[in-house]
Amino acid sequence: AQRVTQPEKLLSVFKGAPVELKCNYSYSGSPELFWYVQYSRQRLQLLLRHISRESIKGFTADLNKGETSFHLKKPFAQEEDSAMYYCALRHAGGTSYGKLTFGQGTILTVHP
Amino acid sequence: GAVVSQHPSRVICKSGTSVKIECRSLDFQATTMFWYRQFPKKSLMLMATSNEGSKATYEQGVEKDKFLINHASLTLSTLTVTSAHPEDSSFYICSASQGISGGYTFGSGTRLTVV
Repeated sequence: AQRVTQPEKLLSVFKGAPVELKCNYSYSGSPELFWYVQYSRQRLQLLLRHISRESIKGFTADLNKGETSFHLKKPFAQEEDSAMYYCALRHAGGTSYGKLTFGQGTILTVHP
Repeated sequence: GAVVSQHPSRVICKSGTSVKIECRSLDFQATTMFWYRQFPKKSLMLMATSNEGSKATYEQGVEKDKFLINHASLTLSTLTVTSAHPEDSSFYICSASQGISGGYTFGSGTRLTVV
């Protein structure tokens, strides 16, 4: 069955330090992966998707099919990056076509 | 950009009453809308998927008679929590898609408290 796992519920780093939020997935087909961010008291918004291969707010993520991972990275964390981050997988076919499965989320706190 | 308006943002109701939550796509036509439930500091759990003009598809374990979903137009979907109980208290979020291969726009969520 499809599954998205974010092993870290909480992650704390200091400003300027590198940060990596882990995401692993389990999916039988060819997945499409996303990272969403939810700042305090705001709605979920798309951070990036693997097919676009772009960098948003300094974050990047590479899909590693061998390791079934889609880790989110940023070389120098900023205080404004503090938020809840969700990794999500879009189902590519079958009866679940188009649905998103979310990981449990990681709360990132960047200390000054 | 695409905007989804969700109302109300917060509602308190008495046990046994029904509550309706609205989700509107403001500047695009949403062929598909999704309804999620989010527990505190936890993941989003998909409750149901609705396509305009057809019956919603509910996820396993979600009572369709309790969580009524209507998607009567391409810009409006509603979730009605019927005969609400305290265990229905949660944060409900809608999401709209212009097409399955497109992106998703999320509403700001509704905090439901049943007393």
